[in-house]
Amino acid sequence: DVKVTQSSRYLVKRTGEKVFLECVQDMDHENMFWYRQDPGLGLRLIYFSYDVKMKEKGDIPEGYSVSREKKERFSLILESASTNQTSMYLCASSLPGLEQFFGPGTRLTVL
Amino acid sequence: QKEVEQNSGPLSVPEGAIASLNCTYSDRGSQSFFWYRQYSGKSPELIMFIYSNGDKEDGRFTAQLNKASQYVSLLIRDSQPSDSATYLCAVKYPSGSARQLTFGSGTQLTVLP
Repeated sequence: DVKVTQSSRYLVKRTGEKVFLECVQDMDHENMFWYRQDPGLGLRLIYFSYDVKMKEKGDIPEGYSVSREKKERFSLILESASTNQTSMYLCASSLPGLEQFFGPGTRLTVL
Repeated sequence: QKEVEQNSGPLSVPEGAIASLNCTYSDRGSQSFFWYRQYSGKSPELIMFIYSNGDKEDGRFTAQLNKASQYVSLLIRDSQPSDSATYLCAVKYPSGSARQLTFGSGTQLTVLP
């Protein structure tokens, strides 16, 4: 079974803090993705990576950065957290062109 | 204009009925279509995918694709209360794009016992 894990299920941070969300997959997938999910807005792609050290912006990259130093790990970084970044963050991985497998999600609250 | 549109619902059906979930997409070059189910507080899980025009059946689930009309649907026969969830339609970008999938905002389904 594909397994995608995320470092935290729930996280509470303060405005201005630097926040790291980590995602690890164990199926040797080339592609990894970070989404945020908000009520009424669906899943929105923040960043994705198709290889180690390779990344591309998604639909809403502002305020976020990513790092992929190893194939199995993809990190999302909020350089200076703001209240409008309170959301559910979902990581996913896939082989090229195939279905994406999601992690359990991290519910981030920024106070 | 949204690239993948779904009725947000909520859609309510009685237990045992057929639930019909619909999705339209704007990119005629799209080739692959996925249906995910998401229970409240959980992450999406894939339930079906379809590539070719027509119907694809898997147990109680049937996906229907009409590329000419840019329309894909999911039918759930003999709906059960455990089918109550949000259903996400996802469309794969045309070949050559590493961007992968675009998701609709989901349809919330409630199956009433």
